[in-house]
Amino acid sequence: DAGVIQSPRHEVTEMGQEVTLRCKPISGHDYLFWYRQTMMRGLELLIYFNNNVPIDDSGMPEDRFSAKMPNASFSTLKIQPSEPRDSAVYFCASSTRLRAGNTIYFGEGSWLTVV
Amino acid sequence: GENVEQHPSTLSVQEGDSAVIKCTYSDSASNYFPWYKQELGKRPQLIIDIRSNVGEKKDQRIAVTLNKTAKHFSLHITETQPEDSAVYFCAALTYYSSASKIIFGSGTRLSIRP
Repeated sequence: DAGVIQSPRHEVTEMGQEVTLRCKPISGHDYLFWYRQTMMRGLELLIYFNNNVPIDDSGMPEDRFSAKMPNASFSTLKIQPSEPRDSAVYFCASSTRLRAGNTIYFGEGSWLTVV
Repeated sequence: GENVEQHPSTLSVQEGDSAVIKCTYSDSASNYFPWYKQELGKRPQLIIDIRSNVGEKKDQRIAVTLNKTAKHFSLHITETQPEDSAVYFCAALTYYSSASKIIFGSGTRLSIRP
């Protein structure tokens, strides 16, 4: 398996622009997570899905952020409008039957810079 | 709400010495505790894990201990080497039949001095 695939790997955008990050989880995994990582705040859980349904979005910072999972093999995280403070590494991760022994596998991350 | 505290935030040890990172969790229902290593510019990757019915687990130079009563668990790295330099994250998972939850600690930046 190719692992969790994220795109783009790097993006530089101007403040106010829409940003869409994409993720393809590992085939067969029914949990999908979006994390944001910064030096100041560490690794933050933004939202996670189980069987394509959002379970917990309490980590989504504000209405500018939205996430969707239209099917088992694809998810998007959208920021509109983007702001400089959104600059971070965004990780997508997936897992199967999130329980002891079935851990989370992370993608390579999407490095976002908003100028 | 549930929380995982990780200490120290930074740790510097001499090559060859041991390193210990400690985490405490708040949810007594947590039953699985993985540790991740993140090298600079890379993704977090699982290095070792422990289930709640086990007190200690070892894999070569790394070991993890769990004290369920005190709700804390620790990562031990012996005979440290330069390639051990990275950020280490602990996590606690609580499994429910309806949904599960995993919470990460804030990370420990480990530096190995030559």
